[in-house]
Amino acid sequence: EIVMTQSPATLSVSPGERATLSCRASQSVRSNLAWYQRKPGQAPRLLIYGGSTRASGIPARFSGSGSGTEFTLTISNLQSEDFAVYYCQQYYNRPSITFGQGTRLEIK
Amino acid sequence: QVQLVESGGGVVQPGRSLRLSCAASGFIFSNYGMHWVRQAPGKGLEWVAVVASDGRDKHYADSVKGRFTISRDNSQNTVHLQMNSLRAEDTAVYHCAKDGDIGGADYYFDNWGQGTLVTVSS
Repeated sequence: EIVMTQSPATLSVSPGERATLSCRASQSVRSNLAWYQRKPGQAPRLLIYGGSTRASGIPARFSGSGSGTEFTLTISNLQSEDFAVYYCQQYYNRPSITFGQGTRLEIK
Repeated sequence: QVQLVESGGGVVQPGRSLRLSCAASGFIFSNYGMHWVRQAPGKGLEWVAVVASDGRDKHYADSVKGRFTISRDNSQNTVHLQMNSLRAEDTAVYHCAKDGDIGGADYYFDNWGQGTLVTVSS
């Protein structure tokens, strides 16, 4: 099983600033990496797939980078609606796909 | 727009069965693989099962293999999860999710339902 490790567990950032979330895979997943946003009471929302491709309707302030084992989700100019939990997911090792444990992005 | 609406959750005793359903709309259902993903209370997301667009190919997480069965009805735009021999550790919110790749199964999820809660308890 490929273990996905996200850091930090909690990130405190002020609105208008930039947030940088990390995701590390225990072995290479090439670019088969997705990021999701999860808000309480809502369905998860796909933000990024293929490591860096924004999903339909996702604002340009969300960007993904990385390949292999190290990935980053950057959220620029944080808006109030961006404070949520973010998960990364590898889909290289299908069907044994795995998620990270999540990073909670909170208002500073 | 894409809508996925789950139903069938509830409280069930260990060892019993439950069948979840997901009604899909807003896209050509028969073109996409469909998945179930769950989240136990206070835990992370866990992929459960996938059914290919034509219903023939199915795969399961090791934790549910032999107990859960995924199926789909392309005439009704629905996907089901039959859960047998339920255990306390199956307690979770179960989400139906649409595969992001048309025609195949890439195993990332571009649309999710709100989920239905399954509680396994005596």
